[in-house]
Amino acid sequence: GQNIDQPTEMTATEGAIVQINCTYQTSGFNGLFWYQQHAGEAPTFLSYNVLDGLEEKGRFSSFLSRSKGYSYLLLKELQMKDSASYLCAVRDRNGAAGNKLTFGGGTRVLVKP
Amino acid sequence: NAGVTQTPKFRVLKTGQSMTLLCAQDMNHEYMYWYRQDPGMGLRLIHYSVGEGTTAKGEVPDGYNVSRLKKQNFLLGLESAAPSQTSVYFCASSFPAFAGGGNQPQHFGDGTRLSIL
Repeated sequence: GQNIDQPTEMTATEGAIVQINCTYQTSGFNGLFWYQQHAGEAPTFLSYNVLDGLEEKGRFSSFLSRSKGYSYLLLKELQMKDSASYLCAVRDRNGAAGNKLTFGGGTRVLVKP
Repeated sequence: NAGVTQTPKFRVLKTGQSMTLLCAQDMNHEYMYWYRQDPGMGLRLIHYSVGEGTTAKGEVPDGYNVSRLKKQNFLLGLESAAPSQTSVYFCASSFPAFAGGGNQPQHFGDGTRLSIL
């Protein structure tokens, strides 16, 4: 099975940087995804890591350490529209049927002016 | 290109009633999924399908049935609704991981908000 932990809520100021941590304990691993979900809307894909290291995509970066079972999502130059929940999800091991994802509970980020 | 479309968007049921939630995708994805999202519990997988005519149980399948008669459609059925099934239901679809070097994210519909009284 999979166990994924992330903080419930974080608050940051517009223009600042916020780091959302995700730790996981899994029976198999084939990639980690980050999704953004605004209230009342669908989750939308942000980033994917399968190898150790940092993936940068504009203001958003995601880091993975497989040996530590740890990832973080870094949001830079925060904007009010970044207020949302951020979901960490681990994909089942390579070869497992369906490429199933296990999601953490999500981190609600509130950006204040 | 509509992506993943779910119908209905909202529904209120009485305990014991039945209903079917519809999911359609136009991205030619092989894999489709049904999740429920409850406060503080994240997304939990109900059932999934790796292709037309095949379905499998996820983490919380009890009380639900699914069918995938066509590649583009995945139906979720509640035979006898219970208040514990009050939730937001999301459908998602994707290509298999091996199809694109691994980076094949799931694409989500806008959700169905279901209340059972």
